[in-house]
Order: sequence, then structure tokens, then C-alpha cells
Amino acid sequence: EVQLVESGGGLVQPGRSLKLSCAASGFTFSNYYMAWVRQAPKKGLEWVATISTSGSRTYYPDSVKGRFTISRDNAKSSLYLQMNSLKSEDTATYYCGVGLPFAYWGQGTLVTVSS
Amino acid sequence: DIQMTQSPSFLSASVGDRVTINCKASQNINKYLDWYQQKLGEAPKLLIYNTNSLHTGIPSRFSGSGSGTDFTLTISSLQPEDVATYFCLQHNSGSWTFGGGTKLELK
Repeated sequence: EVQLVESGGGLVQPGRSLKLSCAASGFTFSNYYMAWVRQAPKKGLEWVATISTSGSRTYYPDSVKGRFTISRDNAKSSLYLQMNSLKSEDTATYYCGVGLPFAYWGQGTLVTVSS
Repeated sequence: DIQMTQSPSFLSASVGDRVTINCKASQNINKYLDWYQQKLGEAPKLLIYNTNSLHTGIPSRFSGSGSGTDFTLTISSLQPEDVATYFCLQHNSGSWTFGGGTKLELK
């Protein structure tokens, strides 16, 4: 059974950094693209980042490019999202997803950016 | 950037009704359009990928169609458990964009 467990969310001040993790199990992690998607409170879904199987290719929308970095450790079956220079508009539940398309998702971790 | 316009944003229907939800892309995305279902308090769930391929375990009352810029999700006979918000997602040329969502309720 595919399992994705996000962690690392919490309350952080604007301008500070936070690193999210996603622990994967139930599938061969190194064979799949991975991604982060977020959802602001009572809002729609927004794609945040995608990473290739080896980690050599990464993709970001303009809204986070230069501030967020997606990475992975295939030996640990783990996905990460380093978030720098956080803004109030980054407040959201962050989900990790596996595959292209995003076939399975974790339950999410809430990030709140507020002073 | 590719924009996705989803309609309607809200839909009320009765059990047994045929329901259609639409997504329009701002440019040609070929067949690279997926549909997700999100129930209240849950993570999204993949229903349809690449326009018309049914994801594992998804009931056959869900189907997708379209090409180019116009796409449709159809529920052939609405069931109570289908109450949810539905999102389309385009994935073309190394970028991904969600539609704004359609909230589906029972009449």
C-alpha cells in the first residue's frame, strides 16, 4: 500500500525558512517523479514543485521559483521542500504526491506564515 | 503560463443525474489533463489521467473526454458518495496548473 507522510509544518514568521519532509513507502520511490502541491485555507490547489526520479530535473511555478527548493533522497525514500523567504501567502496545507500524474497523495502538513 | 478555466464553480444535482464538469485551457495541452476528487477534510484523489484513462479502483461511472483545449469530466449516474470538489490539472511542457474547482452537492 502506498503511504506518504508529510511532516515539518508549523507556525513560522514572514521571511523565515522551513523544511518539509515526505516519507514514502509501499512503492519503489526511486522510480517515480515526486511533487509538492499546496492548498490555502478554503482555496483551490496550487502546484508548487516537481522533481525527476534522479533529482537532476526540478520544476517550479513563478510564485515560488528562487525561494523554494525540492529535493529527494532515494536511499531514504524521502522527499523534501526547503522553503525560504516565506510570505503570508505561502500559508497552506502542503501535500506530497507521487508519479506523473499525481497518483497518490499524503494527508498534508499545515504551514502557517504569520507574525 | 497555461491557465485553466473550470466550470461551473458550483453544481447541485440529484442522485442518478448525469453530471458534467468542464475545463478549458488557455492553449493546446494535447491530452495532458487529469481530474481529481477532493472530499471535505481529505487529500485529493486521482480519478482520470491523460484525458480519459480511469485510475485504478475508480468506478466506471466516471469518465473523461476532450482534446486540445476543452475537456470534460462526466459522472454518468450521480451517487451520494460523489459529493466533493473536483479539480482538473493540466501537465504540459514542465508546468502544472489546476483549475479553480467545482463543488458538487446533492439537490
